Amino acid sequence: QVQLVESGGGVVQPGGSLRLSCAASGFTFSSYGMHWVRQAPGKGLEWVAFIRYDGSNKYYADSVKGRFTISRDNSKNTLYLQMNSLRAEDTAVYYCAKESGDYVHAFDIWGQGTMVTVSS
Amino acid sequence: SYVLTQPPSVSVAPGQTARITCGGNNIGSKSVHWYQQKPGQAPVLVVYDDSDRPSGIPERFSGSNSGNTATLTISRVEAGDEADYYCQVWDSSSDHYVFGTGTKVTVL
Repeated sequence: QVQLVESGGGVVQPGGSLRLSCAASGFTFSSYGMHWVRQAPGKGLEWVAFIRYDGSNKYYADSVKGRFTISRDNSKNTLYLQMNSLRAEDTAVYYCAKESGDYVHAFDIWGQGTMVTVSS
Repeated sequence: SYVLTQPPSVSVAPGQTARITCGGNNIGSKSVHWYQQKPGQAPVLVVYDDSDRPSGIPERFSGSNSGNTATLTISRVEAGDEADYYCQVWDSSSDHYVFGTGTKVTVL
């Protein structure tokens, strides 16, 4: 069955770093673009980053550009998000999501999310 | 940056029709996708490309998009439809993905 499972969340101090992982199964991971989306407590959804199926293009929200890096290892069916210089406002549940494909820029499969808390 | 505006809340009686709007500049020229999110759960895609439904989504969920407003319509509302709903587009001018502000649907 199609599944995305995030891991790597936790509590980190402001200015610290954290790396999130997202393990994919049940579909051909190397054929699809992938995203990270976050949701601060009690707030709405915020798109964070996108990586093309082959890793050749990456796009970032202005709020994280220069601090976060999205990457993927197609041999391991895994998506990553390296988060540096973390701020309190980065506190959120982070979801990985699969792009629908076929030029449909929707998120058709989501993971269960992993919580990141930035606090001293 | 592109902005999508939704009403904070919509209330509807069971069996009635809920309409959730998503406003954006010339949104009719973009493809709009809609997500349902229940408390403590990940979002679920319920409508894509303005009006198409993924497999497993009831026909009660439908969408339209024209001018500056896209609309998600939930017909014959059930208690289980109570959730937050978000619209989303891809802004080709910036290669950014944008979510609406979200609408909480309450079933009376």
